[in-house]
Amino acid sequence: EPEVTQTPSHQVTQMGQEVILRCVPISNHLYFYWYRQILGQKVEFLVSFYNNEISEKSEIFDDQFSVERPDGSNFTLKIRSTKLEDSAMYFCATAVDEQFFGPGTRLTVL
Amino acid sequence: QKEVEQNSGPLSVPEGAIASLNCTYSDRGSQSFFWYRQYSGKSPELIMFIYSNGDKEDGRFTAQLNKASQYVSLLIRDSQPSDSATYLCAVKRPRRQNTGFQKLVFGTGTRLLVSP
Repeated sequence: EPEVTQTPSHQVTQMGQEVILRCVPISNHLYFYWYRQILGQKVEFLVSFYNNEISEKSEIFDDQFSVERPDGSNFTLKIRSTKLEDSAMYFCATAVDEQFFGPGTRLTVL
Repeated sequence: QKEVEQNSGPLSVPEGAIASLNCTYSDRGSQSFFWYRQYSGKSPELIMFIYSNGDKEDGRFTAQLNKASQYVSLLIRDSQPSDSATYLCAVKRPRRQNTGFQKLVFGTGTRLLVSP
């Protein structure tokens, strides 16, 4: 059964550093999303992406965040200058209609 | 008022019993409703979705939707210890006509514990 994959599974970085989180969507899916979940809290929407452009973004998704699909397969989330409060699980989800989640990347900002 | 509300639990049931998980939502325009299961440290796993009022059954799971009351529930029959997880209720918030643009709004989840 096709699955969404994400790399890396765990990323540790220093505050102020840039990180790129990668996602490989299910092959026939056209809609892509990033969510995050801070430890012990609910899953929160960050951004949705379709046809090579952002379709919606949340208040969390400020100028430090960006997304792109550089090669037609990978879907990436970049955080330019990480903050301590960016520490969370980041989930990629892809959809034709119902959204399926990848295994997540645990980001730890020190 | 929270957009999607769930009792955080834990809900404890013995093995073989029916577990009943509830969720309410605030936006009457919501049209699609989802139940995800999340094991500790893992990602949400889609187990049920429902779009129309009434019941929808899939194996041991039944989703129930009452749009008038803005209420969604999930019943798990013959609960097993492996069902112990956090169950997330999620609602699609409409933004455009195209359903693909709709983001999911999650509740905080209900932790279910099934004891052997």
